[in-house]
Order: sequence, then structure tokens, then C-alpha cells
Amino acid sequence: DAGVTQSPTHLIKTRGQHVTLRCSPISGHKSVSWYQQVLGQGPQFIFQYYEKEERGRGNFPDRFSARQFPNYSSELNVNALLLGDSALYLCASSLGWGTSGTYEQYFGPGTRLTVT
Amino acid sequence: DAKTTQPTSMDCAEGRAANLPCNHSTISGNEYVYWYRQIHSQGPQYIIHGLKNNETNEMASLIITEDRKSSTLILPHATLRDTAVYYCIVSNFTGGGNKLTFGTGTQLKVEL
Repeated sequence: DAGVTQSPTHLIKTRGQHVTLRCSPISGHKSVSWYQQVLGQGPQFIFQYYEKEERGRGNFPDRFSARQFPNYSSELNVNALLLGDSALYLCASSLGWGTSGTYEQYFGPGTRLTVT
Repeated sequence: DAKTTQPTSMDCAEGRAANLPCNHSTISGNEYVYWYRQIHSQGPQYIIHGLKNNETNEMASLIITEDRKSSTLILPHATLRDTAVYYCIVSNFTGGGNKLTFGTGTQLKVEL
């Protein structure tokens, strides 16, 4: 079975530009989460979507937005890029959402974004 | 979510058991203990999770103390491919989303 896929693998952008990152979850998974991992640190939670609705948001500015499509794939958008946005962006999928289950998350390989 | 404390780094000889400790003294009754690992430049990989009882799967065993204030992840026969950063995470998934709060983890180095 295919795991979580992300595109593109690598991306180089200039300050002020906009970027869109894409994620396809494991077949049957309805929830997608996004994380940012800056070099030398653990991943930081950005968003979680379930059934096309935002279910959780981390401490990130409004320049970061996301959406989930009817096929459960997802996009992460970042506007007005800053140098500090350079990071590995990880997508994770899980079967569901909420406190009724443990919902372990399965991560994709990530998109390496470099802002110059 | 409760805070976790892990050693910064550990070494293990190939073929030996790797025992990775995690302290979570403020864990609440409905919080689970999750373990993930991240091999260099890859996405984190789910290993195992538990609430009260010890758990075992094909990758590892999770031993949780009776008071639940600490746990140990055991890789029974470590190989060079187990070299990674191991994250212990405690969460009950309340407070908005099933977010995982990663700390700095333990860098496990498996050597010949």
C-alpha cells in the first residue's frame, strides 16, 4: 500500500513569494496534519484537517493556511515567505480525529523548502 | 499535554537491546504515551503507543511504570538501521486537533 506522498520534494523560493505544498494521505485515512521542522528541532504542529474542516491549529501566523479536498488530499499555502520559513514541511495522515481513539499518525517524506 | 524528558543521546551495540527511557511525571490519567522515530532527513515513523499496560509489536516493546510517570522503549535487537532520533510524546488529544508535540528526542546511535 502506498504511504503518504508529498510534492514537491524540494523547493527554492525567494522572500515575499508564495508557495503551495501538496499531500496525499494513505488510502482510507480521512485526516491530514501539517508540521514544520526547522533544522535541529522536532516537528511543530501547524494544522489538522478532518473531513475538509480545520480541527486544530498551531501557533503559526495567518500567512499559513491549508485546505482539504473531497478526496482527502490537502494543500498547505504560505504567503509572503520569510527566510525563517525555510524548513522541512511534513504531512501526516490518520484514520480519524478526536478523543475517541488513539489515531496514530503516519508521516510522509516531507517537502524541503528553502527561502532565499 | 504533559511534558516529557529524554536523554539527549545514547549509544548501543548492534545486536544488543536498546532501552530508551522517558520521564513524564505530570502525565494525566487519560494521556497516552507515543513513540516515534526519525531517521535522518526522513519523516517521523510511528513505533508504538500505550496507556497503562505494556505493549509489544513487531518493532518494539513499551514498558510503562505502574505509576505511569515514566516509560521505556525497548528495541530488542538493535541494528545499524535503528540509528535515529527517538521521540517520546504524551497526549490525550484534547485542546484542538490530534497534534503531536515533539520535543528534542533522544539521538540513538547503533554501532558495530
